Amino acid sequence: SAVISQKPSRDICQRGTSLTIQCQVDSQVTMMFWYRQQPGQSLTLIATANQGSEATYESGFVIDKFPISRPNLTFSTLTVSNMSPEDSSIYLCSVELYRGRNEQFFGPGTRLTVL
Amino acid sequence: AQSVTQLGSHVSVSEGALVLLRCNYSSSVPPYLFWYVQYPNQGLQLLLKYTTGATLVKGINGFEAEFKKSETSFHLTKPSAHMSDAAEYFCAVRTSTNFGNEKLTFGTGTRLTIIP
Repeated sequence: SAVISQKPSRDICQRGTSLTIQCQVDSQVTMMFWYRQQPGQSLTLIATANQGSEATYESGFVIDKFPISRPNLTFSTLTVSNMSPEDSSIYLCSVELYRGRNEQFFGPGTRLTVL
Repeated sequence: AQSVTQLGSHVSVSEGALVLLRCNYSSSVPPYLFWYVQYPNQGLQLLLKYTTGATLVKGINGFEAEFKKSETSFHLTKPSAHMSDAAEYFCAVRTSTNFGNEKLTFGTGTRLTIIP
């Protein structure tokens, strides 16, 4: 498995501001993913962050709202820009350690509340 | 497009009783299926997965699931519930993104409560 950490673990933010969430993995991985889990709901993939290329976004998510960086094989950031209360969610990063093993490992999540 | 449906957003069982959490999938290709567990204020942990081969798969913490193609189901079971099993359980299927990457599509989750 992998040890995945996220910072911050939680935050309360004001409307109109931005928050950058960090995801750190203890081993080098190719595939990293960012998910959103809205209150009482399931997980929805925001984007796939591949090192050395632009992140690819799922339908309904755009780079201007959720810019992603992937500077190396162990680290990624997700920014939630110009936040509104509708952005209040848990944001989780996950990694696929071994391509073809079909296993994703998840970080503990970042609980974001927007006032 | 592949999808999963979890029947029952809340399930309560008595300690020591059988746990059965239902998951049905829709897939145009042979599916890869997963069960994840999320304990309060924690991330998701992989319980078990089915890719190919044996249709009855065993996971951690005494859980198992059986892939039934004829019923398009992948129900999760545990013979005897323990208080520590109280959590949210998610069924997921591997799908492809528009860019050819692989992603997980999750069901809506089932919250399992254990009654002492």
